[in-house]
Amino acid sequence: DQQVKQNSPSLSVQEGRISILNCDYTNSMFDYFLWYKKYPAEGPTFLISISSIKDKNEDGRFTVFLNKSAKHLSLHIVPSQPGDSAVYFCAASGNSGGSNYKLTFGKGTLLTVNP
Amino acid sequence: GAGVSQSPSNKVTEKGKDVELRCDPISGHTALYWYRQSLGQGLEFLIYFQGNSAPDKSGLPSDRFSAERTGGSVSTLTIQRTQQEDSAVYLCASSPGQVPNQPQHFGDGTRLSIL
Repeated sequence: DQQVKQNSPSLSVQEGRISILNCDYTNSMFDYFLWYKKYPAEGPTFLISISSIKDKNEDGRFTVFLNKSAKHLSLHIVPSQPGDSAVYFCAASGNSGGSNYKLTFGKGTLLTVNP
Repeated sequence: GAGVSQSPSNKVTEKGKDVELRCDPISGHTALYWYRQSLGQGLEFLIYFQGNSAPDKSGLPSDRFSAERTGGSVSTLTIQRTQQEDSAVYLCASSPGQVPNQPQHFGDGTRLSIL
């Protein structure tokens, strides 16, 4: 039972255009969502997060949108750069005892930004 | 160091041998997590430490897996009598632990190959 789903295994965009990565979840107890970026042979690097009390969070070129009613979130990267080429993981957690833990991850989307 | 440090970075061993993986979290982080990523899969939660205690061991796949943390810092994950299905990248993460909704920061992982 996959609680966090990234239905697109890969995405290819042109440099300068917008990249949109999607993520769906099934567990209504999730209240904190994160995006991680992963290069080969490295650990995931935290990119941006959003709490369920918000529907948008922006950090530079990265914006995460959360639609709670649809149990859907998306990561927008604009403008996309070749250095953004990596695997992007969506993750979620439910707040338990005041501390988040036990991130549940999707399987990732490989983003390729072509020069 | 500034980040989460894991050792060894690579480990190749024969089926049936025991292995020990080490994680040194970010200084001051009281929460520590182990995950593993099998080929083509997302990250799978294994165990969570708050200080030296492990309130959630639910992700450990069998009793061959154990973990400990001493001094509220370094953690070791031990796999006894390794099997080929244990081959994966084992990732450690840490977070401040006392504040809710804080991102987990990952090390680069140990790539474990069981022959």
